[in-house]
Amino acid sequence: DTEVTQTPKHLVMGMTNKKSLKCEQHMGHRAMYWYKQKAKKPPELMFVYSYEKLSINESVPSRFSPECPNSSLLNLHLHALQPEDSALYLCASSEWGTPHGYTFGSGTRLTVV
Amino acid sequence: AQKITQTQPGMFVQEKEAVTLDCTYDTSDPSYGLFWYKQPSSGEMIFLIYQGSYDQQNATEGRYSLNFQKARKSANLVISASQLGDSAMYFCAMREAHYLNDMRFGAGTRLTVKP
Repeated sequence: DTEVTQTPKHLVMGMTNKKSLKCEQHMGHRAMYWYKQKAKKPPELMFVYSYEKLSINESVPSRFSPECPNSSLLNLHLHALQPEDSALYLCASSEWGTPHGYTFGSGTRLTVV
Repeated sequence: AQKITQTQPGMFVQEKEAVTLDCTYDTSDPSYGLFWYKQPSSGEMIFLIYQGSYDQQNATEGRYSLNFQKARKSANLVISASQLGDSAMYFCAMREAHYLNDMRFGAGTRLTVKP
């Protein structure tokens, strides 16, 4: 299995809602990532988990809450988002400590209304 | 801090011709990896090719090759025999050995292949 699976593919939520994005990989990768990508822009790093522990938080607002319950799963909990948070959210995984590339999921297109 | 520059916001190429997408980078780390990703309109990031900083030869993967000029800090992507399905956004990216796992991307180049 060489895939990163993200669910849901599309999500529309109100500013008072609570929702979660899910990411799963079974490649034995010990590093997992969340990126945010606005239209016509490159992906921007949000969080990095290594061995299920948060190692990088790029000053992301607390309305985004990551969670790594095990080595295969990565969640992003969303609460009280703003319309400007509408974007494509990409999950990726990689081996830890090597310069090799990431495997990306197909993303969740989030719209906040 | 690492920096990746893609100076071509958009490129056009005729089907079956070759095209070069430019990428320059800046790093003080002697150990790093350079990557190219393709992003179709559907959104997924597709890995195309990888070049390590210590690799002596330019990387090739099918119709993709990476023109790596270390002294100039450039890592241009060459796509040969362009196909209509190559129309997409292309991102150059870099990982440095001393920044744990922190891949950063250039601004991207939108490639359009004309029939």
